[in-house]
Amino acid sequence: GQQVMQIPQYQHVQEGEDFTTYCNSSTTLSNIQWYKQRPGGHPVFLIQLVKSGEVKKQKRLTFQFGEAKKNSSLHITATQTTDVGTYFCAGRSNYQLIWGAGTKLIIKP
Amino acid sequence: SAVISQKPSRDICQRGTSLTIQCQVDSQVTMMFWYRQQPGQSLTLIATANQGSEATYESGFVIDKFPISRPNLTFSTLTVSNMSPEDSSIYLCSVEGRAAMTYGYTFGSGTRLTVV
Repeated sequence: GQQVMQIPQYQHVQEGEDFTTYCNSSTTLSNIQWYKQRPGGHPVFLIQLVKSGEVKKQKRLTFQFGEAKKNSSLHITATQTTDVGTYFCAGRSNYQLIWGAGTKLIIKP
Repeated sequence: SAVISQKPSRDICQRGTSLTIQCQVDSQVTMMFWYRQQPGQSLTLIATANQGSEATYESGFVIDKFPISRPNLTFSTLTVSNMSPEDSSIYLCSVEGRAAMTYGYTFGSGTRLTVV
């Protein structure tokens, strides 16, 4: 079946370091969405990418959609404690929304 | 984007009993989605609920175990029936944004279910 692989599962960073999570789909996607889930919270929509090669920025967050519309990444520059949580990608293919496994961002004390 | 009120936020239930989870949306929506999320895991779609028709269930989920009601365009319920400890999970309802290209999906705050 259709899958969206997301890596890494966890990333431990010092506050101020960068963070990146990657998603790779087995099929071409019509779009990809990114969500953030704070500990104990529910997923919150961040952004949707639609076009091949699209790059969007939200302050310290940079989202990319690959040229083949099969992969995507989220990069956070200079992480802050408020960035803690799990980041999910969700790719749309054939009217289905396929969720990645999520990457948990952990700030080292 | 839509605002969803989901109840209860958490419950501890005895095995063999049933729990009904409610979601109320502040606007009319065609489809509502019910998800399950095991702790530390991703989201798994249980079913899609359309008003006026039977819900569409994903593989591995059946109506007898997870009956869904959708009496109008702003409300839906999911019942977890004959519960066992394996049903302990977070259950979330969701709707697609009014402008799906922009708003993505909005989720309720979730129901954390523990079956003992």
